[in-house]
Amino acid sequence: DARVTQTPRHKVTEMGQEVTMRCQPILGHNTVFWYRQTMMQGLELLAYFRNRAPLDDSGMPKDRFSAEMPDATLATLKIQPSEPRDSAVYFCASGPVWTGTTGELFFGEGSRLTVL
Amino acid sequence: KNQVEQSPQSLIILEGKNCTLQCNYTVSPFSNLRWYKQDTGRGPVSLTIMTFSENTKSNGRYTATLDADTKQSSLHITASQLSDSASYICVVIGGSQGNLIFGKGTKLSVKP
Repeated sequence: DARVTQTPRHKVTEMGQEVTMRCQPILGHNTVFWYRQTMMQGLELLAYFRNRAPLDDSGMPKDRFSAEMPDATLATLKIQPSEPRDSAVYFCASGPVWTGTTGELFFGEGSRLTVL
Repeated sequence: KNQVEQSPQSLIILEGKNCTLQCNYTVSPFSNLRWYKQDTGRGPVSLTIMTFSENTKSNGRYTATLDADTKQSSLHITASQLSDSASYICVVIGGSQGNLIFGKGTKLSVKP
């Protein structure tokens, strides 16, 4: 059945290391979101793509975070260098063309990142 | 500022009891409101969507209400089950650019 696939599910790394998270959206969905979730802040929008073009990455610390969609089947979120405050669960979500009106999103299972 | 506030932050109830979760928003213009359920360690899953013209919508033991005048929504869970233990997130779709604005969620624990 169709689902959003994220890798890795868990990542433990040391401060200063590069971290790359990957997402395979549901086939046919043209919108892709990256969110970060912490206990204190809930779900925070990091980046948003439509038809592979970045539309909003205002929630992302530009000096260390970058998000790309090299093709329609892959979205990546990279942190370089990572810091302990980046520890969180990172969710990728994809949606059909009407997502901007209905808010219908399909979330992956998340990537839990721990930066020591 | 477009905001979504949920209450309570957390809630513990006994199995079989009913509960109501609240969502207040200041998003304008308003398009739709959606409730998501997030089980521990999983991604959120949509429960129901409320459009501007809808007041009440049921999905099994879940009933969502919307009062667009007071900008409030509620999610009522009837005869709670252990599997209802999760976080419930209210998302409002709107704003000048059709943004998705998330509340921080209510964490519900159903105890036997």
